Formats: sequence, C-alpha cells, structure tokens
Amino acid sequence: DIQMTQSPSSVSASVGDRVTITCRASQGISTWLAWYQQNPGKAPKLLIYAASTLQSGVPSRFSGSGSGTDFTLTISSLQPEDFATYYCQQAHSFPPTFGGGTKVEI
Amino acid sequence: EVQLLEAGGDLVQPGGSLRLSCAASGFTFSSYSMSWVRQAPGKGLEWVSAMSGGGGSTYFADSVKGRFTISRDNSKNMLYLQMNSLRAEDTAIYYCGRLSVWYHDVWGQGTLVAVSA
Repeated sequence: DIQMTQSPSSVSASVGDRVTITCRASQGISTWLAWYQQNPGKAPKLLIYAASTLQSGVPSRFSGSGSGTDFTLTISSLQPEDFATYYCQQAHSFPPTFGGGTKVEI
Repeated sequence: EVQLLEAGGDLVQPGGSLRLSCAASGFTFSSYSMSWVRQAPGKGLEWVSAMSGGGGSTYFADSVKGRFTISRDNSKNMLYLQMNSLRAEDTAIYYCGRLSVWYHDVWGQGTLVAVSA
C-alpha cells in the first residue's frame, strides 16, 4: 500500500495567516491526490482533486500543488471557518490511502 | 441537492453483526461507484470498502476482508455494508461516500458503530 505522510501534524495560526501543509507519498502517484477538510463533528469535504483542481464551490484561497511524491495545500489567508483538520488521499493505486491529518488551530 | 444519509450504527458486542445503509439522492446513483470510509474516535480516515456503479466489482481493505460485505440496490438508491465478526477495533464513525475515480466527492454525515461488551 502507498503510505501518505502529512506534516506538520498540527499548526497554530491566526486569521489572515498563510498556511501550508505538506503531504508526501511513499511512491510516485503523479497528480492523483486529493485534499479534504474536516470540521469538528462533521463529515470530510473534498477541497481539491488531481493535486491542484479546486472542487466546485471551494473558495479560491485554497490551492494545491505538487506531483510525484510531494504535495502542498496552501490557504492564502486563513478565515475563521478554516480552523479544521485537513487530510490528503492518494487515488493512484488500490487501496486508496489517507494521510494522518493536519489540525489547523488557533 | 446531492445527499447521502447513513443509518444503522449501534452498540454491538464483539463477534456480533450489523448492517449499515446509505440512502442516496440528487444524482443518478447507478452511475457512480460508492465507498465506505471509517474514522475511529480521535483518529484519521480509513477506507473500508467500495463497489462499482453496476455492482459487478467490489473492493475491501485487508482489515475487513472476509468479514464485511458491500452491496447496493440501484432501484432504491441504497448502499449497504454488512459487518460480521465485529471487533473492538471496528469501532468508528462510518461514512458513505460517492466516488469520482477514487476521489470521495460527496460524503454522508456518518453513523457510529461501537463494538464493546
């Protein structure tokens, strides 16, 4: 199975900050990567797929980049509703696997 | 509106069985593969099982293979997860998800399964 490693596991930030989260795959996955946001007590929500394509309705302050094994999720200006946990997921090989999550907190 | 609604979660004893269901609405259900993903308390996401739109292909994580089965009724827009020989480590919120390739583009609100004596 492909292992997905996220860093950091948590990050403290303030409203308006630029936040970057990293996801590394244990082997090359081209751009077969998604990012999800999960607010406390809620279901995950797809933010980005194919490494950099914004899901419909997702604010443009979210962006994704990378290919191969190294990927980043950037929030350009953190908003109060963005304090959540973020997960990456590879869609290149079966089984689909998730990273361990990054909690963005105040 | 595209919506998924899970049901069937409960407290069950180790070794017991449970059947989860997921009701889909707002899209052509038979056109999509569907998935189950779980999240143990305070932990991350773990993919569990998936089924193709027509039901001809099924997929399972090694951790549940041989114990869980997945099925769907496209005439009723329903997805099911039959869970047998449940273990304490199966305790989790179980989410139903719509698949676009292997991306989960729509999620239900989840249903809690607790396995304990």
